Amino acid sequence: AQTVTQSQPEMSVQEAETVTLSCTYDTSESDYYLFWYKQPPSRQMILVIRQEAYKQQNATENRFSVNFQKAAKSFSLKISDSQLGDAAMYFCAYRSASGTYKYIFGTGTRLKVLA
Amino acid sequence: KAGVTQTPRYLIKTRGQQVTLSCSPISGHRSVSWYQQTPGQGLQFLFEYFSETQRNKGNFPGRFSGRQFSNSRSEMNVSTLELGDSALYLCASSLDGLAYEQYFGPGTRLTVT
Repeated sequence: AQTVTQSQPEMSVQEAETVTLSCTYDTSESDYYLFWYKQPPSRQMILVIRQEAYKQQNATENRFSVNFQKAAKSFSLKISDSQLGDAAMYFCAYRSASGTYKYIFGTGTRLKVLA
Repeated sequence: KAGVTQTPRYLIKTRGQQVTLSCSPISGHRSVSWYQQTPGQGLQFLFEYFSETQRNKGNFPGRFSGRQFSNSRSEMNVSTLELGDSALYLCASSLDGLAYEQYFGPGTRLTVT
């Protein structure tokens, strides 16, 4: 069965600095999708970034980028120039591209941004 | 385009009762998934419906059930509530296809006393 692990329950970053959130996953599948979702306090969860496993190029969305290491089954999120609005719970998620197509989420990393 | 809506937003029930939660997906989205979110367990996948059929199911007891209607609206039912069912229940919709992101609703906060 697939698993997603976020080993950092909480992280802090100074405003304008860069922070990296870790995510590892375990799967025997070769085709899948990986996502980072953000859940601000008392607000709805939104997608931050998406990576297709068959793509070698790391996904980038403005200040957000990933380091996707397929062989190591690692999918970290880098936030550059951190802003106060980045404070949230961040969830790493895996979705199988075959079989059950289930979404599996990690337990989340709470990011605090310090002014 | 309106986002995913969930009703009710807050609910208080007592043990042994049953509850029905509702989710209206974004117009045109055919997939609806349900999750249970608790501080200790994170997001746990309950089930996914696609075109009125349950496509996927998580590891929850049979007390948790759901359905999807022809207009893609979905309901989730929990029977014989237990204290441990207290959680935020999130609904998410997506377009057809596996690569598409999920759009989450605000959730229903269920408290079982």
